[in-house]
Amino acid sequence: ETGVTQSPTHLIKTRGQQVTLRCSSQSGHNTVSWYQQALGQGPQFIFQYYREEENGRGNFPPRFSGLQFPNYSSELNVNALELDDSALYLCASSLGDNIQYFGAGTRLSVL
Amino acid sequence: AQSVTQPDIHITVSEGASLELRCNYSYGATPYLFWYVQSPGQGLQLLLKYFSGDTLVQGIKGFEAEFKRSQSSFNLRKPSVHWSDAAEYFCAVVPSGGSYIPTFGRGTSLIVHP
Repeated sequence: ETGVTQSPTHLIKTRGQQVTLRCSSQSGHNTVSWYQQALGQGPQFIFQYYREEENGRGNFPPRFSGLQFPNYSSELNVNALELDDSALYLCASSLGDNIQYFGAGTRLSVL
Repeated sequence: AQSVTQPDIHITVSEGASLELRCNYSYGATPYLFWYVQSPGQGLQLLLKYFSGDTLVQGIKGFEAEFKRSQSSFNLRKPSVHWSDAAEYFCAVVPSGGSYIPTFGRGTSLIVHP
């Protein structure tokens, strides 16, 4: 059974660019959630996808968008990057039972 | 809106000593409660969870937590800390029922002295 994997591990972008982060869910999990973790802070919930539909969204602007694919893998897209978008982005998968399994994250630096 | 407070940013203990990490929440009803641990450069690992029932919850790695409704608290404890327990610990709440929108505390950094 494979765990949650995220790619890339690290990423450097410049302000105004667009970025796509990827997540492969744990085998059999149909729900994926994305979080932003700024340095020294707890994770902030961005949104959740269940069976390819958005199932909940935190307080993030529309330039944060996502997709979930039929195989339940997922993407997080961020447009018009800002300096404050620099953070660790975490993906977590679950079977809809509130017990989430996290990936190691993607460290995004915006210069 | 729900909120989670972890009042201690850093806690330092000696190896072998007992540990208690505090977590208080604000929410209209009893939420689902979680403790996670994060080692440097890693994602979060679930230590334990409370949904309902027995208010003393056992988790992995020798951790336990007690839900106290009257105090809106869910403190994490371990009777004897090991050096490998040094990490960041996060408390989280999820509303019971309805859309899944979790709220995490800002975390407590545990430092273990030999």
